[in-house]
Amino acid sequence: SAVISQKPSRDICQRGTSLTIQCQVDSQVTMMFWYRQQPGQSLTLIATANQGSEATYESGFVIDKFPISRPNLTFSTLTVSNMSPEDSSIYLCSVAGTDYGYTFGSGTRLTVV
Amino acid sequence: DQQVKQNSPSLSVQEGRISILNCDYTNSMFDYFLWYKKYPAEGPTFLISISSIKDKNEDGRFTVFLNKSAKHLSLHIVPSQPGDSAVYFCAAFTQFYFGTGTSLTVIP
Repeated sequence: SAVISQKPSRDICQRGTSLTIQCQVDSQVTMMFWYRQQPGQSLTLIATANQGSEATYESGFVIDKFPISRPNLTFSTLTVSNMSPEDSSIYLCSVAGTDYGYTFGSGTRLTVV
Repeated sequence: DQQVKQNSPSLSVQEGRISILNCDYTNSMFDYFLWYKKYPAEGPTFLISISSIKDKNEDGRFTVFLNKSAKHLSLHIVPSQPGDSAVYFCAAFTQFYFGTGTSLTVIP
């Protein structure tokens, strides 16, 4: 299965600022996924990032708040913009593996103060 | 609307005994189900899956059972080991709705 390097692993950010999270995959993948896990809640899909096209966002998530880049088949970034304390979450990137199993990055624990 | 539910947020089991983690779903269109395990400060890792054409899938100490009529699946871990202590998520394909997770603690 693919190996994903995600960074930063954690950050504490000021309200109103932005943070960009990076995911590097050791193989070429068509689709990458970005998830959020808020405290005490399940993993929620933010968007699907396809190389060469705009990301597809799930209901409740918009590009202005969570812009995504996918410059090639091994790399993607998610930016959390104009952060508020409600954005404090764990953010994870993911790629599809074999047999429908998905591989996840190690996550970025974001705290907004 | 939570389409995949794990109603037990935590579970404690003695080492060597069976751990049973449960998951319920509401969408009858789901046709593939997966269990993930998550250790603190790590991303979820794929554990085991089951297709809707089966009612049981076994992989070593891990067995997943699917009851389509009840829209219920369960993960059995036998025997449980301290290293199994983690948060377990069930998931349904393809939209990937995750349950809220069950924190399993295996007591040595």
